[in-house]
Amino acid sequence: DQQVKQNSPSLSVQEGRISILNCDYTNSMFDYFLWYKKYPAEGPTFLISISSIKDKNEDGRFTVFLNKSAKHLSLHIVPSQPGDSAVYFCAASDGGATNKLIFGTGTLLAVQP
Amino acid sequence: GAVVSQHPSRVICKSGTSVKIECRSLDFQATTMFWYRQFPKQSLMLMATSNEGSKATYEQGVEKDKFLINHASLTLSTLTVTSAHPEDSSFYICSAPDSSNYGYTFGSGTRLTVV
Repeated sequence: DQQVKQNSPSLSVQEGRISILNCDYTNSMFDYFLWYKKYPAEGPTFLISISSIKDKNEDGRFTVFLNKSAKHLSLHIVPSQPGDSAVYFCAASDGGATNKLIFGTGTLLAVQP
Repeated sequence: GAVVSQHPSRVICKSGTSVKIECRSLDFQATTMFWYRQFPKQSLMLMATSNEGSKATYEQGVEKDKFLINHASLTLSTLTVTSAHPEDSSFYICSAPDSSNYGYTFGSGTRLTVV
């Protein structure tokens, strides 16, 4: 039972354009969402997070949007850079209930120069 | 910021042997540690949650007798893969909730290869 899904296994974007990565979840108890960037054989690198009380959070080139009614969140990267090429995971937590962090299936982003 | 040190970074072992992976929180107390495994081109799957001073809780489908977890102190959690088989070959990574804005601190991972 995959509680957090990223339906696009891969995405290719031209340098300078916007990258939009999507994530859907099923558990309504999730109240905190995070995006990570990951390279093979390394730990995830935190990018940005959002609490369920917000619908948008912005940090530099990264913006996360949350649509609670649709149980959907997205990560926007603009402008995209070749160094952004990596696997991106969204993750969700139920906060104080269990504090578990459940990862999505990942999207491989390739930013073409 | 918060740091979790994970060792070893990679290990090769023979089938039937046991391997221990350690995760230490260096500058904060980790009363809880999450253990994940990742197969190639797949997601990080939560295996279990270790809690200092009590038994670990395992996710459905994870064999607790095969993946022994010990949380001996507020700064150390270990995962022991017992009687390892080639299908246990994977990338294992630990994570601890912390009080930083990030919320979770990850170890650097352990690449286990069972031959």
